[in-house]
Amino acid sequence: DAGVIQSPRHEVTEMGQEVTLRCKPISGHNSLFWYRQTMMRGLELLIYFNNNVPIDDSGMPEDRFSAKMPNASFSTLKIQPSEPRDSAVYFCASSKDRFLDTQYFGPGTRLTVL
Amino acid sequence: DQQVKQNSPSLSVQEGRISILNCDYTNSMFDYFLWYKKYPAEGPTFLISISSIKDKNEDGRFTVFLNKSAKHLSLHIVPSQPGDSAVYFCAAEASYDKVIFGPGTSLSVIP
Repeated sequence: DAGVIQSPRHEVTEMGQEVTLRCKPISGHNSLFWYRQTMMRGLELLIYFNNNVPIDDSGMPEDRFSAKMPNASFSTLKIQPSEPRDSAVYFCASSKDRFLDTQYFGPGTRLTVL
Repeated sequence: DQQVKQNSPSLSVQEGRISILNCDYTNSMFDYFLWYKKYPAEGPTFLISISSIKDKNEDGRFTVFLNKSAKHLSLHIVPSQPGDSAVYFCAAEASYDKVIFGPGTSLSVIP
């Protein structure tokens, strides 16, 4: 299996622009997670889906952030408009089961907002 | 308020010695704990886990200890190797709830 695939690996954009991060989970996994890693806050959960349905989006920082999972093999995290404080590494992870299961992480997208 | 704390941002250990990474949690409902390891420019990978019904779990050079009364767990690496140099995340999960990660501890194993 190719593992969790994320694109792009690096994204540099200017403040105010729309940014879309993409994720392909491992085939057969039912849960998908979006995380953000920063020096100050470590690894924080933004949102997670189970069977393509958003279950908990309490970690989404504000309305500028949105996430979708139109099917079992694809998810997007969108930031519109982007701000410099959104600069971070964003990880997507997937797992077979929603609870008590190992999460497999993608390589991450390093986002820089100028 | 952070529910999972790793109070040491970094740790340096000599090759061959023991590395001890600590983690404290505040939520008494947590009943499953995990450690993930992260190399630069890669995503975290699962390392070892422990259920709250146990107080120790061992996998090769890695052992996790859980002290429920103190709400504390630790990861022991013996012997430490240069390839163990990475960021280690402690994570905790309550039944039927999401996983909460700590901020991570950066381990450097010096040859």
